[in-house]
Formats: sequence, C-alpha cells, structure tokens
Amino acid sequence: GAVVSQHPSRVICKSGTSVKIECRSLDFQATTMFWYRQFPKQSLMLMATSNEGSKATYEQGVEKDKFLINHASLTLSTLTVTSAHPEDSSFYICSARDLETRSYEQYFGPGTRLTVT
Amino acid sequence: GQSLEQPSEVTAVEGAIVQINCTYQTSGFYGLSWYQQHDGGAPTFLSYNALDGLEETGRFSSFLSRSDSYGYLLLQELQMKDSASYFCAVRSQAGTALIFGKGTTLSVSS
Repeated sequence: GAVVSQHPSRVICKSGTSVKIECRSLDFQATTMFWYRQFPKQSLMLMATSNEGSKATYEQGVEKDKFLINHASLTLSTLTVTSAHPEDSSFYICSARDLETRSYEQYFGPGTRLTVT
Repeated sequence: GQSLEQPSEVTAVEGAIVQINCTYQTSGFYGLSWYQQHDGGAPTFLSYNALDGLEETGRFSSFLSRSDSYGYLLLQELQMKDSASYFCAVRSQAGTALIFGKGTTLSVSS
C-alpha cells in the first residue's frame, strides 16, 4: 500500500517551453502533497506544499509563477515548470502522506528527471 | 528555520557496523526520520523516532536524544546493497513537510 506514482519519469525539453509533471497517490487519499527538487549529489530541497482545493505554499526563494502547482483532487497534484531554462534541469520528487495510517511517514514518488536543453 | 548536520561520507566493509550521526536545530520538533536513497531512485523510509531511545528494525536501528538534538542511524551486518545515500529529516510540526539533511553517502566494499 501507500504507493505514489509520477509521470513522466524522464523528460527533455527545449529552453523556453513548459513541462508538466503529475504526481498521483494510487491507493490512498492525500490532502497534502509536497514537491521537492534534488540536484546531483545534493539533498532534497522542499519547493512547495500542495493542498487539495487551495493554493500551494511555496518555500522562500521558489518562484510561484515559474513553478505552477495544482492539486485538484485528493489523488493528483501537478507541477508545471514554465519557461524552462537549463538551470531548471533537476530531479523533481513528489511526496504524500496517508493521514489514515502512519502520519509521520511521507511516501515518495519515483521522481522525474528533467533536462532542459 | 531548521538545519540538520550529518557527515558527508562514510566507508565500510561488508559485515561491519556503521553509525551515521545527525544533529538538528529546529523551531519545533515532531520526530526524526531516516531515509535511504539509491542513485537515481526515490527516498525510501527506514525509521522514525518521536521519543528518546532506540528503535530497532532488522539490521537498522535509530536512536534519538531530544535533549541533545541528536540522533543516529546504526546499520549492522553491512551488505553491498546498503551502498546508498542516507538522509535524516525532521518535521517541525504535524502536517508539515520533512526537511532533509544534506545526506551521507555510504560506500560498502567487499
């Protein structure tokens, strides 16, 4: 149980285009999902907290107009990287908590590797 | 805000025991978690400590001392497959996201 999927797993896009990444909780409902970014050999950096039915909360230094987050249902959150630039190339990982079971654990998706050329 | 410190690298041989330390500073505290991440993969949950003391799960154990803002992950009977990055993480309050340390790269050799 408690599986989180992400799509796509890898994406290559050209500079200036937009890319949408989907995060789904497959067997539980997630009122809250989290988006992280990880550069090579570095830690996971929290970008934003996505709440179902309301606006996302962004961490300091993360541009909300560049990283659009939508959490339209209890099982789906999307991250859209707008006007992508090579410096946006990174590993994007979403995470969710199953509030009905172990509230302390966050379940992570497999990640999406974005390469902007 | 929160900050976590852990060693950047640890090396060991198969069958050995390794301890990865983590010290944290946080405005609130809702438990210390440990995650494992292999290259290119997603973090996977290893252990969680909300109260002081030792939690044991198979070959892995985790310890917490809230008064010292300190914890560690103990890996026993190391195997090659344990070569990975290990992250400690804290949550300042219930319902908020985990904040991760910089990670410790463990290399296990034969």
